[in-house]
Amino acid sequence: DGGITQSPKYLFRKEGQNVTLSCEQNLNHDAMYWYRQDPGQGLRLIYYSQIVNDFQKGDIAEGYSVSREKKESFPLTVTSAQKNPTAFYLCASSIGVGSNTQYFGPGTRLTVL
Amino acid sequence: AQSVTQLGSHVSVSEGALVLLRCNYSSSVPPYLFWYVQYPNQGLQLLLKYTSAATLVKGINGFEAEFKKSETSFHLTKPSAHMSDAAEYFCAVIVSSNTGKLIFGQGTTLQVKP
Repeated sequence: DGGITQSPKYLFRKEGQNVTLSCEQNLNHDAMYWYRQDPGQGLRLIYYSQIVNDFQKGDIAEGYSVSREKKESFPLTVTSAQKNPTAFYLCASSIGVGSNTQYFGPGTRLTVL
Repeated sequence: AQSVTQLGSHVSVSEGALVLLRCNYSSSVPPYLFWYVQYPNQGLQLLLKYTSAATLVKGINGFEAEFKKSETSFHLTKPSAHMSDAAEYFCAVIVSSNTGKLIFGQGTTLQVKP
């Protein structure tokens, strides 16, 4: 079954700790994306990667970091510099950039205590 | 700057009634437009996509949307609502063909009453 997996589904962390969210896809897609979702604000782009070993900042990259060492994987680290990290995080992928459809994973809900 | 506006953060309809969710966009380039649906605590599922091939786009679950360039709109409709349609719906537009970057509207929560 092809798709995008995100783990864990729910994540709790203490304030000041870094945390890494996993995103894996077996769709052979080149492009991958991370979004943050807050109630009433839609989705906002954090980082995106068009190809392995390359990534660009989105609209709200401060306090986040990513890596793209493998085509299948695009982990997101929420650092202690992120002032309000509690949110629902969604990973997406597409065949390539341009007009291609983005397909989304099930999301990870991060709660910082 | 490109943007997407969804009119009405909450829409309530009776089961069997027409569903109409409104989306207006602004884009300096020919737009690629999407509607996604999200059920509670889940990811987004693609309903349909406009790519200029046809102004009326049919999607999954009986939904369709019509692209109207003169009105810069891409409203989502379904003739008869089912209880299972209750979810949050997002309209989105690609703002850059170089990056594939999507801009999302703020979402519309659809409530279906029995």
